[in-house]
Amino acid sequence: KAGVTQTPRYLIKTRGQQVTLSCSPISGHRSVSWYQQTPGQGLQFLFEYFSETQRNKGNFPGRFSGRQFSNSRSEMNVSTLELGDSALYLCASSPAGTSASSSYNEQFFGPGTRLTVL
Amino acid sequence: GQNIDQPTEMTATEGAIVQINCTYQTSGFNGLFWYQQHAGEAPTFLSYNVLDGLEEKGRFSSFLSRSKGYSYLLLKELQMKDSASYLCAVPIYNQGGKLIFGQGTELSVKP
Repeated sequence: KAGVTQTPRYLIKTRGQQVTLSCSPISGHRSVSWYQQTPGQGLQFLFEYFSETQRNKGNFPGRFSGRQFSNSRSEMNVSTLELGDSALYLCASSPAGTSASSSYNEQFFGPGTRLTVL
Repeated sequence: GQNIDQPTEMTATEGAIVQINCTYQTSGFNGLFWYQQHAGEAPTFLSYNVLDGLEEKGRFSSFLSRSKGYSYLLLKELQMKDSASYLCAVPIYNQGGKLIFGQGTELSVKP
């Protein structure tokens, strides 16, 4: 089974631009979560999508948004980029059940997209 | 609120045993994960504990005490390739795929 894939792997943008990152989950996984990883803050949850609906959201400004398609692929968008948005953006897919209270939510991470904002 | 604490760095010698601790505070409990992350790579799953006690998987074991809000990861017969960041994470109760991660413990294995 192919793992989680993310494109692009590396991206350089300038302040004020916007960026779209893509994630293809493991086949059959319906839940896709996005995380931001920085040296200072560690891994922080951005949002989770399940069946094309945002199921959970972290504490990030509205400049961060996402969506999920019917084939479970997901994209996240960051508008009006700031220097502090430079980070590794990780996508994780999970064979989560339909209930948000599923007791086992092992997440399989993709390789990440390294975003540098200049 | 949710809070997870881990030591920032640890150093150990090849062949030795090291224990990485994690304490957590959550409202509700839905298990605890340990992930390993090598520099520049994605986190990979090591273990999941939902019941108290020790679970052993080869050289790696993970322990959980729900009453104390405490877990540890035990690595035996350390190898150089075990140098990595070890992340403790808890899923938020009733919030599906949302994981809260600790800052990670950077383990350096020396010869």
